[in-house]
Amino acid sequence: AQTVTQSQPEMSVQEAETVTLSCTYDTSESDYYLFWYKQPPSRQMILVIRQEAYKQQNATENRFSVNFQKAAKSFSLKISDSQLGDAAMYFCAYFRMNRDDKIIFGKGTRLHILP
Amino acid sequence: IAGITQAPTSQILAAGRRMTLRCTQDMRHNAMYWYRQDLGLGLRLIHYSNTAGTTGKGEVPDGYSVSRANTDDFPLTLASAVPSQTSVYFCASSDPEGGQGAFKSSYEQYFGPGTRLTVT
Repeated sequence: AQTVTQSQPEMSVQEAETVTLSCTYDTSESDYYLFWYKQPPSRQMILVIRQEAYKQQNATENRFSVNFQKAAKSFSLKISDSQLGDAAMYFCAYFRMNRDDKIIFGKGTRLHILP
Repeated sequence: IAGITQAPTSQILAAGRRMTLRCTQDMRHNAMYWYRQDLGLGLRLIHYSNTAGTTGKGEVPDGYSVSRANTDDFPLTLASAVPSQTSVYFCASSDPEGGQGAFKSSYEQYFGPGTRLTVT
């Protein structure tokens, strides 16, 4: 069964600095999707970035980028120039399209931004 | 409405009472999901529906039931609430091949704002 592991329950970063959130996953599939979701104090879940496993190029969305290492089954999120509004819980998620297409979420990493 | 709405926003419920959490989406997504979020446990899937008329059990289905009479609505019912069901509940939808306009998804799930339920 697929699993998603976020080994850092909490992290802190100084404002304007760069931080990397780790995510590893376990799968025997070769074609799948990976996501990072952000949940700010408002509790709304917001998609930050997505990565298709068949694409070698790492996805980038403004200050957010990923380091996708398919062989290592690693999918880390890098936040550059951290801002106070980045403070949130971040969830890594895995999806494989099949008859029971459900997203599998990690347990989350709470990110604190220090002013 | 645009996206997913949930009602109520929050609720305090006496143990033993029946409660239905409502979820409606207007994106014409085929798949819908119910999750509960508890501190330290992340998001856990309760029930899901891949298309109208079908439902399936997730990771933690006991004590909950769902129905999917049409594409838009996916209510979650607690038949007899217990304190361990105190949680924040999220409804989500997705549709890899369908959806409308800006809500045509690429497999990601769109989430509602959540319902905070306290069972006393």
